[in-house]
Amino acid sequence: DIQMTQSPSSLSASVGDRVTITCRASQSITRYLNWYQQKPGKAPKLLIYAASSLQSGVPSRFSGSGSGTDFSLTIRSLQYEDFAIYYCQQTYSIPYTFGQGTKLEIK
Amino acid sequence: QVQLVQSGAGVENPGASVTVSCKASGYTITSYSMHWVRQAPGQGLEWMGIISPSGRSTSYPQKLQGRVTLTRDTSTNTVYMELSGLRSEDTAVYYCAIQPLGYSSTGFPYGLDVWGQGTTVTVSS
Repeated sequence: DIQMTQSPSSLSASVGDRVTITCRASQSITRYLNWYQQKPGKAPKLLIYAASSLQSGVPSRFSGSGSGTDFSLTIRSLQYEDFAIYYCQQTYSIPYTFGQGTKLEIK
Repeated sequence: QVQLVQSGAGVENPGASVTVSCKASGYTITSYSMHWVRQAPGQGLEWMGIISPSGRSTSYPQKLQGRVTLTRDTSTNTVYMELSGLRSEDTAVYYCAIQPLGYSSTGFPYGLDVWGQGTTVTVSS
């Protein structure tokens, strides 16, 4: 199975900050990488697919980059509604594993 | 508007089986792959399996092989996830989610873009 490791596990930031979350795959997954946002009691929401493609309706302050084994999700100018848990997921090979999550908290 | 509505929460005995349904509206289940993902209390997301649009192909992680089964009923546009041999560690919120077929303009697939509301399954005697 491909292991997905996110860092950091948690992160404190202020409204208006720029933050970056990284995700590393245990082997190359080319660009088969998605990012999700999850808020308490809610289903995950797709933000980014194919490593860098912004899902329709997602604000442009979210961006993704990377290929191979190293990926990142950047949120430019944090808004209150962005404080949540973020997960990466690989769909290169079954099982389609998720990272352990990064909790983004208000400083 | 594409929507997935899941069946309600339940409490199950250890060793029993549970079936969670996911009814689709706004599209037909023969048009998308459907995934199942679960989340234990306070934990991360765990991918549980996928059923193809035709329903003829399913894949599961080794960890759940033999205990999880995905099926579908095209007459009701519903996909079902059955989990047998329930254990306390199966206590979780279970989600269905769909992935559009094919590849985006990037040449890579889409993500899981529509999710059900989640179904809480509690395993307890």
